[in-house]
Amino acid sequence: EIVLTQSPGTLSLSPGERATLSCRASQSVSSSYLAWYQQKPGQAPRLLIYGASSRATGIPDRFSGSGSGTDFTLTISRLEPEDFAMYYCQQYGSSPRTFGQGTKVEIK
Amino acid sequence: EVHLVESGGGLVQPGGSLRLSCAASGFTFSNYWMTWVRQAPGKGLEWVATINQDGSDKYYVDSVKGRFTISRDNAKNSLYLQMNSLRAEDTAVYYCARSNTGYYYWGQGTLVTVSS
Repeated sequence: EIVLTQSPGTLSLSPGERATLSCRASQSVSSSYLAWYQQKPGQAPRLLIYGASSRATGIPDRFSGSGSGTDFTLTISRLEPEDFAMYYCQQYGSSPRTFGQGTKVEIK
Repeated sequence: EVHLVESGGGLVQPGGSLRLSCAASGFTFSNYWMTWVRQAPGKGLEWVATINQDGSDKYYVDSVKGRFTISRDNAKNSLYLQMNSLRAEDTAVYYCARSNTGYYYWGQGTLVTVSS
């Protein structure tokens, strides 16, 4: 099983600032099958990034993903008020398809 | 427009059973892998099970193996999760999701509460 560890647990930032979220895998994620999701309270998750770096349809270009192998990063270039939420990484290249424990981006 | 609508959640006693359904519309259901993901109250996301297009391949998280069964009926555009021997730790919102390159489409979720 691939264990995904996200850091930090909580990120306290102000609107307009840059957010950098990390996701580290316990073993290599095959073919960069790594996705990032945003989730707000009471809502289903929203796919942001797939294939480690491809933006999903309708996702603003302030969201970007990078990385390969065991180290992946989600960057939000300039935080908008609607970006304060929970973020999860997930690998879907092998079974079980595991999620990270999440990073909360909160308003400072 | 793609829609996924879960149903079948509710309150069940430990050891009991429940069958969740996910009605799909707006796309060719038989072309896609489908997945169940759950989220316990106040906790993170947990992948539960995935099934391929014709139902011949199924994958489960270890904690539900032997207790849960994922299935589909392509003629009815429906995904199912049969849950037996339910435990308190199975209490969660259960989401169905269309699997492709990540999970772009999700249902609204259905709450399963296991309690006496």
